[in-house]
Amino acid sequence: EVQLVESGGGLVQPGGSLRLSCATSGFTFSGHSMNWVRQAPGKGLEWVSSIISGYIYYGDAMKGRFTISRDNANNSLSLHMNSLRIEDTAVYYCARGVTGYDSWGQGTLVSVS
Amino acid sequence: EMVMTQSPVTLSVSPGEGATLSCRASQSVSSNLAWYQQKPGQPPRLLIYGASTRATDIPARFTGSGSGTDFTLTISSLQSEDFAVYYCQQYNSWPRTFGQGTKVEIK
Repeated sequence: EVQLVESGGGLVQPGGSLRLSCATSGFTFSGHSMNWVRQAPGKGLEWVSSIISGYIYYGDAMKGRFTISRDNANNSLSLHMNSLRIEDTAVYYCARGVTGYDSWGQGTLVSVS
Repeated sequence: EMVMTQSPVTLSVSPGEGATLSCRASQSVSSNLAWYQQKPGQPPRLLIYGASTRATDIPARFTGSGSGTDFTLTISSLQSEDFAVYYCQQYNSWPRTFGQGTKVEIK
């Protein structure tokens, strides 16, 4: 069974930093592209970042502040977030895929206040 | 940035009836479009990719169609578990973008 489990969320002050992790199992992690998607409270989905075959992409609001990385040896995905803003408050999901995201974690809540 | 616009914002439907959800892209995304379903407190679930291909274990009552800029998700005979929010997403260009969602509620 494919599983993605996020961790690392919490309460942080504006300007602070946080590192999110996504532990995966049940599939060959190194063979899949991975993504972060966020959802502010009561709002829609917002794509954050993707890592695809070594190429990395970020949403405009995240460029220069967020860093995505992966550890294929440990089947994990990370998101380092710096200079956090109040508007970064959201549930952050990791998701697998390129042509549609076919597996998602339950998300981890980041609150910037 | 590719803007994805979904309509309507809310759709009120009686169980057993059909529903048609629309998604329009500001530029052509070819067939690089996915549909997701999200229920409260849950992550999204992939329904459709490639504009019309059902994802694994998705019931046949969900049908995706369209290409270019105009797309449709049709749900035939809504079941109780289908009342949720639906999002479209383009993966034709960067940044990836989602529509704002259509809430399908019980009439």
